[in-house]
Amino acid sequence: RKEVEQDPGPFNVPEGATVAFNCTYSNSASQSFFWYRQDCRKEPKLLMSVYSSGNEDGRFTAQLNRASQYISLLIRDSKLSDSATYLCVVNLNSASKIIFGSGTRLSIRP
Amino acid sequence: DGGITQSPKYLFRKEGQNVTLSCEQNLNHDAMYWYRQDPGQGLRLIYYSQIVNDFQKGDIAEGYSVSREKKESFPLTVTSAQKNPTAFYLCASSWTEEAFFGQGTRLTVV
Repeated sequence: RKEVEQDPGPFNVPEGATVAFNCTYSNSASQSFFWYRQDCRKEPKLLMSVYSSGNEDGRFTAQLNRASQYISLLIRDSKLSDSATYLCVVNLNSASKIIFGSGTRLSIRP
Repeated sequence: DGGITQSPKYLFRKEGQNVTLSCEQNLNHDAMYWYRQDPGQGLRLIYYSQIVNDFQKGDIAEGYSVSREKKESFPLTVTSAQKNPTAFYLCASSWTEEAFFGQGTRLTVV
């Protein structure tokens, strides 16, 4: 079983739609969680951290469910510029080991 | 400006040759990482280092080697034992939680 698993997509949704991604992780000792965004042929960049209490940044909301070991990302009122690959990231802080999911591709159509 | 610098951006290697990818950071981060990304795939961990003179194998370490003689530097050598080295290589560093990335090196075997 992979340490971090994501639905690879692609998700193809119309502009203005709401889209949600989930990500599951296998190690219950995981301590920090993030969503990164990666544009084609570029390095990943931090989108937002995920806290137990949830985290909202404009149109983006991230949630963590430790009991079920998954994190989620919700994008509201999607824009064409949201088209990218979204990577779920888990940090085993005790080992300083950062594990990436395989990414979910999102394509927003006009 | 603080950041992570990878060089070169593009690298071509003949089959059977070793090649070293450079990664330097001036963020004073203890942890550094090397990832490999194949087209349409996520990031896979090659090696990581939590501290100078110490490093750990990731999920796909075979055919690669690293050193961590200085806090700022974490070079990756792709050896001739790596059967399919053509890929996008990303270096990252971390202080506590999130990872910061260099711009990557595209390695092509010709």
